[in-house]
Amino acid sequence: GAVVSQHPSWVICKSGTSVKIECRSLDFQATTMFWYRQFPKQSLMLMATSNEGSKATYEQGVEKDKFLINHASLTLSTLTVTSAHPEDSSFYICSAKRPDRATYEQYFGPGTRLTVT
Amino acid sequence: SQQGEEDPQALSIQEGENATMNCSYKTSINNLQWYRQNSGRGLVHLILIRSNEREKHSGRLRVTLDTSKKSSSLLITASRAADTASYFCATDEGAQKLVFGQGTRLTINP
Repeated sequence: GAVVSQHPSWVICKSGTSVKIECRSLDFQATTMFWYRQFPKQSLMLMATSNEGSKATYEQGVEKDKFLINHASLTLSTLTVTSAHPEDSSFYICSAKRPDRATYEQYFGPGTRLTVT
Repeated sequence: SQQGEEDPQALSIQEGENATMNCSYKTSINNLQWYRQNSGRGLVHLILIRSNEREKHSGRLRVTLDTSKKSSSLLITASRAADTASYFCATDEGAQKLVFGQGTRLTINP
């Protein structure tokens, strides 16, 4: 199987601080990873597509200076929420795909619950 | 962009009954997938149906796809309490990304 992990599974931080969320593909190399945000009782919204060794592609309306994405290796992508505010509180889910597979074949992580107080 | 519209938004049925949820989309697709999400958890892939398929089965799941109406349905037969979750359809938009529907929150009452 293809396993994707996220760390931490939940985090509470104070307003104004930065939080880093890790997404790892445990048993395969992922040239592309995706970051989604999900507000309570809502659907997943794609925030950005992360490609190893290059800059992430952000969806319209997502602030790239606020949500920093670094895909430094074939198994790790990180999302840093800078200067977090209570409205950034959400469930963040990453996914990864194998380099030889189509975009729709994504393996999802378990998600990270971020609460900003 | 949010391509998929799902209905109903919430569905509550008795254990043993069948549950049907629908998804509509706007653009041409290569395939459509259904996922389950338990509260506060990640996504579990349920089934994929390709654009040239009309129906697909997997255990108690039955998925249909009508590309002329740009819609799909997910039927869960003989529902169980463990089926309580949110269900999302997802389409591949331009082969660049997945676009998820709004989701249906399914509650199975014992």
